[in-house]
Amino acid sequence: AQSVAQPEDQVNVAEGNPLTVKCTYSVSGNPYLFWYVQYPNRGLQFLLKYITGDNLVKGSYGFEAEFNKSQTSFHLKKPSALVSDSALYFCAVRDMPAGGFKTIFGAGTRLFVKA
Amino acid sequence: DVKVTQSSRYLVKRTGEKVFLECVQDMDHENMFWYRQDPGLGLRLIYFSYDVKMKEKGDIPEGYSVSREKKERFSLILESASTNQTSMYLCASSFVLRGNEQYFGPGTRLTVT
Repeated sequence: AQSVAQPEDQVNVAEGNPLTVKCTYSVSGNPYLFWYVQYPNRGLQFLLKYITGDNLVKGSYGFEAEFNKSQTSFHLKKPSALVSDSALYFCAVRDMPAGGFKTIFGAGTRLFVKA
Repeated sequence: DVKVTQSSRYLVKRTGEKVFLECVQDMDHENMFWYRQDPGLGLRLIYFSYDVKMKEKGDIPEGYSVSREKKERFSLILESASTNQTSMYLCASSFVLRGNEQYFGPGTRLTVT
């Protein structure tokens, strides 16, 4: 069965410092991996995805993520955090082909960026 | 830009009432989804639809039903609302190709009293 774990409920970082939000996954086939962000009182917005190819994927708002097959991880990173990055971040995985249309979401990690 | 709209942002209903949540997308997406979001549990899939009149149960379909009569519209129905259905409900849509990301509506915060 597919699953995804976000081991940190909350991440605190100072503005200008690099940030990392962690995600690990478990699938039986090949993973399609996604990151979404949720700003207060809004729906989720897509940030980036890994389907195949280059292990480092770049997305919106300067975020990037690295797919690591051996560690089954897909950590979200940004070189220099902004206060406006403060939000709830969700990692998601789709198990190909076993999982079909179903996407499993992690519990979410709340990022606080302090000025 | 893809737009997914939901009929209400906030809704308060009484126990036992029948509740309709409606979702409309304007990007001709084949797939549509209903999730509920609860703190510490992330998003859990209630139902999804990959075509008009087609539906599949997700992880937590009990107490819910859905309807998709038109491609752009996907409705979630709570047949008899209960207090444990108090939650944030999110609708999403995507193209049928499995690598495609989902686009979410703003959510409906439902309170059942």
